[in-house]
Amino acid sequence: GAVVSQHPSRVICKSGTSVKIECRSLDFQATTMFWYRQFPKQSLMLMATSNEGSKATYEQGVEKDKFLINHASLTLSTLTVTSAHPEDSSFYICSARDRTGTVNTEAFFGQGTRLTVV
Amino acid sequence: AQSVTQLGSHVSVSEGALVLLRCNYSSSVPPYLFWYVQYPNQGLQLLLKYTTGATLVKGINGFEAEFKKSETSFHLTKPSAHMSDAAEYFCAVSDPGYSSASKIIFGSGTRLSIRP
Repeated sequence: GAVVSQHPSRVICKSGTSVKIECRSLDFQATTMFWYRQFPKQSLMLMATSNEGSKATYEQGVEKDKFLINHASLTLSTLTVTSAHPEDSSFYICSARDRTGTVNTEAFFGQGTRLTVV
Repeated sequence: AQSVTQLGSHVSVSEGALVLLRCNYSSSVPPYLFWYVQYPNQGLQLLLKYTTGATLVKGINGFEAEFKKSETSFHLTKPSAHMSDAAEYFCAVSDPGYSSASKIIFGSGTRLSIRP
């Protein structure tokens, strides 16, 4: 299957700083990328959907100014947590969808990023 | 709106016993259905998926699931549990097709424990 790489796998930052998480599709072009947040022992909550070259679509309740998503190329999407606070500590997972001709494929998931804000 | 309900947040079975993880969905259109497995501090791995065609779907690691439209269910089974099956399992649903707007909605997850 297709490979989605997330970096970093773990990050610790100080409160008030910004953190950037990268999501790369290694062997395919990702027409659509999704960002999820997962609290301990809970399910994945979709934060936003981004299509290459256009603005991300955020889910209700997700602050777009706090969670900046950029999908500038077909192989890279970034999530920047701005002015991070301890309550932003969580596990963030990205997924990417490929396209074969005019048909999109299923979504493939990255390995996740554990963010701890101290 | 689509939704997924996983019955049982925690299931414990003995090694070698049958594994049954329950999933019911709600969708206004015939959905695509998925089962994912997640090991601690890792991303999600696709176990199996149902899109169209045969309703009994076989996946990796000996797992299978059956799409039952009349029951709106997509339960995951494995005939004989292995210690390495201990993980968190998520059932998920999306619109049919993989359009750019299709979102994957996840259930709350079921933690599977295997007793020696």
